Amino acid sequence: DTEVTQTPKHLVMGMTNKKSLKCEQHMGHRAMYWYKQKAKKPPELMFVYSYEKLSINESVPSRFSPECPNSSLLNLHLHALQPEDSALYLCASSQEIVRANHQPQHFGDGTRLSIL
Amino acid sequence: AQTVTQSQPEMSVQEAETVTLSCTYDTSESNYYLFWYKQPPSRQMILVIRQEAYKQQNATENRFSVNFQKAAKSFSLKISDSQLGDTAMYFCAYSSGTYKYIFGTGTRLKVLA
Repeated sequence: DTEVTQTPKHLVMGMTNKKSLKCEQHMGHRAMYWYKQKAKKPPELMFVYSYEKLSINESVPSRFSPECPNSSLLNLHLHALQPEDSALYLCASSQEIVRANHQPQHFGDGTRLSIL
Repeated sequence: AQTVTQSQPEMSVQEAETVTLSCTYDTSESNYYLFWYKQPPSRQMILVIRQEAYKQQNATENRFSVNFQKAAKSFSLKISDSQLGDTAMYFCAYSSGTYKYIFGTGTRLKVLA
């Protein structure tokens, strides 16, 4: 059973649409992440939230807008995406992002996004 | 900068046999963490095993074990008694202890019946 839940599993949208991806965890983790993964490639980090505040933005285009409404939820708002944005979007969480007591990241099973 | 290299893009193994996936990395840090993640067709990245660099003892988790050679900067994964459910993409990952994971390019493992 996955401890990080992502919805929807699949999403098809046009380039002019607005949609959101959702991620939820109930492990008490204070760090949450968005990754983008293209086929047969490793995940690429997009955003990191720590204690509900955006800590890291890996130079992601503004058509991707993250939001952390509370410590359990992480959203990714999508607007005016391009065909090259089609990918698997993975959410992950971990206890902290600092060095002390480092714990591994736990991943959800992703949202497969297709842009028409 | 840290790098992680997985030199085997694809491997196959007969069911019940043993297979070893290789991973090498480069870092100037003295303490760090290494992970093997498994990503089956169901897509979820599942943590298989982790190793802390300051620990000499190789980590084991049931049928999964690692051969950690710190001086050689090598971190291979051994899967014993391979099962069909082990078919997946396997990613080696490095972390210096912060949020940033450096992933290898992955090894696609197929277990044959």
